[in-house]
Amino acid sequence: RKEVEQDPGPFNVPEGATVAFNCTYSNSASQSFFWYRQDCRKEPKLLMSVYSSGNEDGRFTAQLNRASQYISLLIRDSKLSDSATYLCVVILNTGNQFYFGTGTSLTVIP
Amino acid sequence: NAGVTQTPKFRILKIGQSMTLQCTQDMNHNYMYWYRQDPGMGLKLIYYSVGAGITDKGEVPNGYNVSRSTTEDFPLRLELAAPSQTSVYFCASSLTGFNQPQHFGDGTRLSIL
Repeated sequence: RKEVEQDPGPFNVPEGATVAFNCTYSNSASQSFFWYRQDCRKEPKLLMSVYSSGNEDGRFTAQLNRASQYISLLIRDSKLSDSATYLCVVILNTGNQFYFGTGTSLTVIP
Repeated sequence: NAGVTQTPKFRILKIGQSMTLQCTQDMNHNYMYWYRQDPGMGLKLIYYSVGAGITDKGEVPNGYNVSRSTTEDFPLRLELAAPSQTSVYFCASSLTGFNQPQHFGDGTRLSIL
């Protein structure tokens, strides 16, 4: 089983829609989590950290479900500029192992 | 701050040639990383460094070498380039550990023909 798994998509949603992605992880010792976005042919950029209590940044909400071992990213009121691939990263509590997911592709359609 | 700077941005090599991909960061980050990303695929860690003078292998180190003589610089060396090394290479850094956000350079697109 892979350490981190993401549905590759693509997710095609209309402008203004709400869309959510999950990222499941296999190791219960996972401690820290991040979401990155990667535009086509560009470098990954940090989108947000994921805190145990959940966190929100504008239209974006990240949540952690430790019992089911997944993190989620919710995007409200989707914009055309949200079209990108969204990568999750999971870091183990040993502090010396981390895993990138392979990403979920989102296309927001006019 | 420039962040993480990679050079060159594009390069075409012939099979068997060697080259060095440069990466420098001006954020005084201790940790640095090299990844490759093949089309439509995820990031694969090649090598990483937790500080000057310390490097370690990642998931796909074969065919590559690194050095970390200073905090700022983390060059990646390809010896005897092979077509399988055609990829986009990203360098990244983080302040003091894996559990902190990584800052990426804008990549080097390398083709081996």
